[in-house]
Amino acid sequence: GAVVSQHPSRVICKSGTSVKIECRSLDFQATTMFWYRQFPKQSLMLMATSNEGSKATYEQGVEKDKFLINHASLTLSTLTVTSAHPEDSSFYICSAGIQGRSYEQYFGPGTRLTVT
Amino acid sequence: QKEVEQNSGPLSVPEGAIASLNCTYSDRGSQSFFWYRQYSGKSPELIMFIYSNGDKEDGRFTAQLNKASQYVSLLIRDSQPSDSATYLCAVLPSGGSYIPTFGRGTSLIVHP
Repeated sequence: GAVVSQHPSRVICKSGTSVKIECRSLDFQATTMFWYRQFPKQSLMLMATSNEGSKATYEQGVEKDKFLINHASLTLSTLTVTSAHPEDSSFYICSAGIQGRSYEQYFGPGTRLTVT
Repeated sequence: QKEVEQNSGPLSVPEGAIASLNCTYSDRGSQSFFWYRQYSGKSPELIMFIYSNGDKEDGRFTAQLNKASQYVSLLIRDSQPSDSATYLCAVLPSGGSYIPTFGRGTSLIVHP
């Protein structure tokens, strides 16, 4: 149980384009989903927290107009990186909290984004 | 600022030994503590959580919590090369938040 999928696992895009990453909880309902970014050999950096049906809460320093998050249902959240630049290249990881046990986070496999 | 501190390592242990990973935290009111394992290039995987003082055992893993000392540790018995990974400590802060603070992680290398 507690399986989270992410799609795509890898994506290469040109500078200036937008990329959408999907995060799905496969066998449970996730009231809360989290989006992280991780640069090589660095720790996880929380970007935003999203609750189903409401606007995401962004961490300080994360541009909400650049990183669009939509949590349309209890099993799906999407992150869209708009007008991507090479410095946005990173490992993006979502996690989901189990309804009623939101403090236990289960991570998706991550999406490696490379912007050329 | 709630902080979670881990020694970045690498911690190198021989196969079959006990690996001891440590984590300290600054928020005295924290109640929930988690250990994640992250293999290189992969996302973190939850391996243990502990809420009460003392030890919690799950197979070869034992989590130890000492709230008075604000210290949580993870012991891995009979370490295997497949245990080589980065271990992240996460602490849920006091105040009702469900967003944990992650440490930077400790790199563990188990050599044959």
